[in-house]
Amino acid sequence: SQQGEEDPQALSIQEGENATMNCSYKTSINNLQWYRQNSGRGLVHLILIRSNEREKHSGRLRVTLDTSKKSSSLLITASRAADTASYFCATDAIRGGADGLTFGKGTHLIIQP
Amino acid sequence: GAGVSQSPSNKVTEKGKDVELRCDPISGHTALYWYRQSLGQGLEFLIYFQGNSAPDKSGLPSDRFSAERTGGSVSTLTIQRTQQEDSAVYLCASSLQALNTEAFFGQGTRLTVV
Repeated sequence: SQQGEEDPQALSIQEGENATMNCSYKTSINNLQWYRQNSGRGLVHLILIRSNEREKHSGRLRVTLDTSKKSSSLLITASRAADTASYFCATDAIRGGADGLTFGKGTHLIIQP
Repeated sequence: GAGVSQSPSNKVTEKGKDVELRCDPISGHTALYWYRQSLGQGLEFLIYFQGNSAPDKSGLPSDRFSAERTGGSVSTLTIQRTQQEDSAVYLCASSLQALNTEAFFGQGTRLTVV
């Protein structure tokens, strides 16, 4: 079953602008992760935020987590053309990862030069 | 190896044939995952291994799908009597442990059933 749901499904912005993507999930989690996928192949890990953390930064990335609302957001500041990709959130089940990391359907981000 | 390796990278097979997909995880990673991704879609969880055992096989789409992992390392995903709806990219990932660690993905196997 789909645990995470990202929105929007697609986002197109101008280079230099900030991009915000959201993720909602259904069950209690140990952590939430964001991944990027270029050209429909392997995913690359971006950032992991634990359930007891509220905000985390990595370079131009800022992730927030609100466990009361079961939601997370990924902010990419000062976007670049190379940020064009699909972005997925992933969660693991609180009961020990037996379901594996569960991914949403992703947000397809296009950065217009 | 330096990363997760999957083979073959592309596979075209005739409907009804069996196929075997291979995943070689990062050395020392105990957790291994298989996912399927159809064009433009999210990742569909198939199966997860902790060591050689698979605690949850409920993600496998049908009994034509099976997977094994031997020696806590290489895993194979086998699809018997392939159907056209099996066409997708099959992604493998491994992580150091099951919880609270990032997963490293291979580049996937693109399976086309004709």
